[in-house]
Amino acid sequence: QKEVEQNSGPLSVPEGAIASLNCTYSDRGSQSFFWYRQYSGKSPELIMFIYSNGDKEDGRFTAQLNKASQYVSLLIRDSQPSDSATYLCAVTSNYGQNFVFGPGTRLSVLP
Amino acid sequence: SAVISQKPSRDICQRGTSLTIQCQVDSQVTMMFWYRQQPGQSLTLIATANQGSEATYESGFVIDKFPISRPNLTFSTLTVSNMSPEDSSIYLCSVEMSGSGNEQFFGPGTRLTVL
Repeated sequence: QKEVEQNSGPLSVPEGAIASLNCTYSDRGSQSFFWYRQYSGKSPELIMFIYSNGDKEDGRFTAQLNKASQYVSLLIRDSQPSDSATYLCAVTSNYGQNFVFGPGTRLSVLP
Repeated sequence: SAVISQKPSRDICQRGTSLTIQCQVDSQVTMMFWYRQQPGQSLTLIATANQGSEATYESGFVIDKFPISRPNLTFSTLTVSNMSPEDSSIYLCSVEMSGSGNEQFFGPGTRLTVL
């Protein structure tokens, strides 16, 4: 059973702080890693994807991948109240197939 | 990314009936998927909708309960058959774009309530 784990939260951070969201996965064959943001009542929106070990930056977002530790994280710099949402980690082992989603972490950015 | 639409956006149905959900994409896509998101839960993959052949179902989901069609590269339907209150959920289609990596993009979802 392939599993993806996340802290359910809520994770509360003050406005302007760095929010750190973590995800671990059980399948060592996992190749692709995705972060989605889901606002209440809306569908998931892709924020970032990462395939290689290390960091990948896109604006205020940084994804970090460590395959040896089976760990992927998302950092949000200068957090804004509009970042308040549930963040879903998704992992896939085969190209284009069988996303496994984590339970999501609810982030609350306090003004 | 593509523009993905779903119909209906929401529905309230009686136990024992069936509902067909449509997913339309504004460009051809290689892969289409159907997910379920139960209240307060994460997403669970129901099946991969294959163009020109039967859908590939995940463990715990069967064709008799969730028949899927994909007649072309821009359209798919999911039917929820013989519904019970346990089927109350959000149903989402997603697509993987041709020529992209294996990122998936989601439609707006269909909120189903079964009484």
